[in-house]
Amino acid sequence: SQQGEEDPQALSIQEGENATMNCSYKTSINNLQWYRQNSGRGLVHLILIRSNEREKHSGRLRVTLDTSKKSSSLLITASRAADTASYFCATDSTLTFGKGTMLLVSP
Amino acid sequence: DAGVIQSPRHEVTEMGQEVTLRCKPISGHDYLFWYRQTMMRGLELLIYFNNNVPIDDSGMPEDRFSAKMPNASFSTLKIQPSEPRDSAVYFCASSLGAGKSTDTQYFGPGTRLTVL
Repeated sequence: SQQGEEDPQALSIQEGENATMNCSYKTSINNLQWYRQNSGRGLVHLILIRSNEREKHSGRLRVTLDTSKKSSSLLITASRAADTASYFCATDSTLTFGKGTMLLVSP
Repeated sequence: DAGVIQSPRHEVTEMGQEVTLRCKPISGHDYLFWYRQTMMRGLELLIYFNNNVPIDDSGMPEDRFSAKMPNASFSTLKIQPSEPRDSAVYFCASSLGAGKSTDTQYFGPGTRLTVL
């Protein structure tokens, strides 16, 4: 299956800073999605980027996709304490997930 | 819509007991997914259904696990007999589509299972 692998495993920053996390995958994709999981909750969809797109924005989120490197990045600008969560990427139809990046934003 | 509904939210049982987890997908969604999440293994896809038919159950860990979807609005995941290593959070998710036109998955709140 096409599993997305997130990197780093954990990231700790201060409020106001930008957070960047990466995702690598193994085979060709049609699209890639990013999800967020707050502690004790289910995953919530953030953004989808298609294989023919290179960059996509949604509010403070910016996602890039490099199909030649089979990688994607999620940038959260001007982070807030409420952004503290785990972030997952997923590819392909069955949407298998990696272990996520745990982001901690300190006030 | 109320979103994906799972019950119970928490389940504590003893080894050897049967456990049944329930899920009601979002109305109109054709796909239903069951996941298991642990610290060690992350989020694992167990099985998914399309129009109530199981499509891929390769993630089901062993014969003790079974899943059914008798109609479009209800699915169960059963573990019989349960073992301590089954302790995890089990998520149900649904989506309008999958495959080439992958759609967003909507996750339920999860069932936290503890097997003593």
